[in-house]
Amino acid sequence: DADVTQTPRNRITKTGKRIMLECSQTKGHDRMYWYRQDPGLGLRLIYYSFDVKDINKGEISDGYSVSRQAQAKFSLSLESAIPNQTALYFCATRRQGGHEQFFGPGTRLTVL
Amino acid sequence: GESVGLHLPTLSVQEGDNSIINCAYSNSASDYFIWYKQESGKGPQFIIDIRSNMDKRQGQRVTVLLNKTVKHLSLQIAATQPGDSAVYFCAEIERAGGTSYGKLTFGQGTILTVHP
Repeated sequence: DADVTQTPRNRITKTGKRIMLECSQTKGHDRMYWYRQDPGLGLRLIYYSFDVKDINKGEISDGYSVSRQAQAKFSLSLESAIPNQTALYFCATRRQGGHEQFFGPGTRLTVL
Repeated sequence: GESVGLHLPTLSVQEGDNSIINCAYSNSASDYFIWYKQESGKGPQFIIDIRSNMDKRQGQRVTVLLNKTVKHLSLQIAATQPGDSAVYFCAEIERAGGTSYGKLTFGQGTILTVHP
C-alpha cells in the first residue's frame, strides 16, 4: 500500500478553470509539502504545512492555494489555471524531528 | 557533465561500471544532504543522506562524499545496473533551530543511463 497518494495522477484542463489536487498520507507525519517540477529543473516548493492550523508559503506560491483538511490530507488548488502551470506536482510528508521527506507518485497537470 | 540552460546533465555508463554523480550546493548552513532517485513516472525516492559533520557515508552499493570546503557532494554507485537508470537529485536541508529542520532545496538533477 502506498504511504503517500495523490489524485488525480493525470489531468488536462483549460485556461481559467479551477483545479484541485489531493494528497493523502498514512504515515502519520505532521508535516506536508507541495512541490512543482518542470522539465530540466529540480523540485520547487509551493506551500507547506506543519499541522492542520499551519500553512506557509514556499518559493513559488503565487497562483496557488492550499487547504490542510486533516493531518492526513493536504490539497493544492489552482483558482484559475494558466498554461505556465503545466508541470508535475508532488506532495511530500515528513515527521517532526526528521529530515527525510517521503514523496507521492505525482500528478501530471496540463493546462491548455 | 555541465548543465547548460534547462538541459539536465547526463551520464551514460555500461552495466557493471561505477558511476559518479556530482552536485554543487550553495548554503553553508545546510545540515543534511540527501540524494534522491527519480524514475520515470514516479516521485523522488530517498537513497542516502549525509550529515554536514561527516565527509563520507556508505550504503548498499552507494557512497556519498561531502567536501564542505568547495561545497561539493557526490554519489558513487558501484557496479551500476540497468535498474539504476533514473534522474538523481541532490538536496540540502538547513536546521531551523533545535530539532526542527527547514525546507529542502533541490539541485537540478542528473540523468543516469545504464546500457546493458
